[in-house]
Amino acid sequence: GIQVEQSPPDLILQEGANSTLRCNFSDSVNNLQWFHQNPWGQLINLFYIPSGTKQNGRLSATTVATERYSLLYISSSQTTDSGVYFCAASTGANSKLTFGKGITLSVRP
Amino acid sequence: GAVVSQHPSRVICKSGTSVKIECRSLDFQATTMFWYRQFPKQSLMLMATSNEGSKATYEQGVEKDKFLINHASLTLSTLTVTSAHPEDSSFYICSARAQGVAAEAFFGQGTRLTVV
Repeated sequence: GIQVEQSPPDLILQEGANSTLRCNFSDSVNNLQWFHQNPWGQLINLFYIPSGTKQNGRLSATTVATERYSLLYISSSQTTDSGVYFCAASTGANSKLTFGKGITLSVRP
Repeated sequence: GAVVSQHPSRVICKSGTSVKIECRSLDFQATTMFWYRQFPKQSLMLMATSNEGSKATYEQGVEKDKFLINHASLTLSTLTVTSAHPEDSSFYICSARAQGVAAEAFFGQGTRLTVV
């Protein structure tokens, strides 16, 4: 099955800083999503982005499908951005999402 | 976005008993739902794919007799952990897609199961 790798595994930022989170995948994808898992475990949908670029407030994401990677950008980070960010992808007729190991982001005041 | 509701959010049960977790798509129909398990500080691992009106498809290594899945309608899938043991303690999360194999997936709030 598809392999999904995220980097870096941990990231510590000062409030107000910008960051880039990376997701590499091993096969062509028909779905790629970014999630933020809050302290209660809920997965919050950030982006559905199998290709192209999207922006939502301070967050934006880009997927370059031909090169098999996706980037999540966080600008002007806030302490509330802290948590775990997951990338997940699926391929072909298999609709199962495979998750990366996640990136733990800590934003310090 | 679409809403997926999972219940209960937290359950504590005695070893040897069974626990049922419900997953509902509130504003769309889902012919396929997915069940994941997440251990502390780890990623989500797919356990099984729940298919409306047919048997679930289990991932390798997941015991189908222990984790019973029923998808009786287009808006409800249930996961029953049978004869639970402390090692089954985990965070269980369901997911559903509105339509199409590549459609955006939405997740329930998760169920934290503790077996004592």
